[in-house]
Amino acid sequence: DVQVVESGGDLVQPGGSLRLSCVGSGFTFSVFWMNWVRRVPGKGLEWVANISPDGSMGRCVDSMRGRCSVSRDNAESSLSLHMSDLRSEDTGIYYCVAWDASAYWGPGTVVTVSS
Amino acid sequence: DVVLTQSPLSLPVPLGQSASISCRSSQSLVYGDGGTRVNWFHQRPGQTPRRLFADFSKRDSGVPDRFSVSGSGSDFTLEISKVEAEDVGLYFCMQHAHWPHTFGQGTNLEVQ
Repeated sequence: DVQVVESGGDLVQPGGSLRLSCVGSGFTFSVFWMNWVRRVPGKGLEWVANISPDGSMGRCVDSMRGRCSVSRDNAESSLSLHMSDLRSEDTGIYYCVAWDASAYWGPGTVVTVSS
Repeated sequence: DVVLTQSPLSLPVPLGQSASISCRSSQSLVYGDGGTRVNWFHQRPGQTPRRLFADFSKRDSGVPDRFSVSGSGSDFTLEISKVEAEDVGLYFCMQHAHWPHTFGQGTNLEVQ
């Protein structure tokens, strides 16, 4: 069975940092574009970052530029998102999405930025 | 950023009837290679989203042929014929012709 599972969500103070992780199984992780998408209260779904299958191309959305980095380890079928200088508007449910001829979503991990 | 506007946002449909959901983009979703980069997803309550169509018309595995898509450029429609109880939930479009990729607000389909 295909599984995508995120972890690392937490309550963080404004200005803090967080590292989210995702592990995929049941599919060939190394050929999939991997993505982070978040559901922000009152705003809907937003793309956060993506990374190419070989890891050579990774990018974050402009609102997180300089505060976000994405990486992957194909040997471990894992994806990471490191976020810094977190703001209240970064609060949301963060989903790991594997994208290729099929698309697989994880159940999400909750990030709350609040003092 | 490209804005995707879905309508309606709420769609009550009697069992066995048809449903139609519109997704309009603020820019053309035709990519440089000529392909149209719009996708449709369905999310049942309590479940993760399931992709229905990729790149405009590529039906994902297991998607019934009751589901169909039409449109071009910046105006797209998802149609569901003979709605079944299992079709309940949120439908949303998504584009990856332009960065950042963006989503429509979602249409909540209620089966009556």
